[in-house]
Amino acid sequence: NAGVTQTPKFQVLKTGQSMTLQCAQDMNHEYMSWYRQDPGMGLRLIHYSVGAGITDQGEVPNGYNVSRSTTEDFPLRLLSAAPSQTSVYFCASIRKRGGDTGELFFGEGSRLTVL
Amino acid sequence: DQQVKQNSPSLSVQEGRISILNCDYTNSMFDYFLWYKKYPAEGPTFLISISSIKDKNEDGRFTVFLNKSAKHLSLHIVPSQPGDSAVYFCAASRGYNTDKLIFGTGTRLQVFP
Repeated sequence: NAGVTQTPKFQVLKTGQSMTLQCAQDMNHEYMSWYRQDPGMGLRLIHYSVGAGITDQGEVPNGYNVSRSTTEDFPLRLLSAAPSQTSVYFCASIRKRGGDTGELFFGEGSRLTVL
Repeated sequence: DQQVKQNSPSLSVQEGRISILNCDYTNSMFDYFLWYKKYPAEGPTFLISISSIKDKNEDGRFTVFLNKSAKHLSLHIVPSQPGDSAVYFCAASRGYNTDKLIFGTGTRLQVFP
């Protein structure tokens, strides 16, 4: 059982370049989300999805796009990378439990550096 | 505006002793609180949670205490072990939906022999 898989683990971009961080989960979880972790800031929610075809913005969505065409995949796109997007990105999926959502299962993270 | 605060960036504790990690929050509408543990180069993993209708939840060596009037929660680890050395994040949500968690900045715990 792979859980939540993120690729790539490391990436260096130049300002203005675009890229996609991939996230896949094999647990048939309905909910998926993207967080970024910055020193002194904790983890902040970028975008989340409550199911295939449904996405919504989190706390820091600017500069990022997401889509959810399948239950398994939730890619995060940077259309024009900026140095402020240098961070560690975590994808998470959540098992829905009854009327509530349960614990988040996180991927191992993707470290992105924008020069 | 940091709604969930962990004011101690680091904590060092001797093996076998108690570790107490603290977390304060400002939003009285939070209903559910969680602690996550993170090792280097790994994603955070769920540790323990507590509902706002309780004041204590225990799971083995880990106990979380909630003081709603003070908007404060704490994680107690007894006895502390070297394998507990990690960064601990406190998180909160409105309702019991964890799809939109608010995280604290984390506390790095080091347990030394």
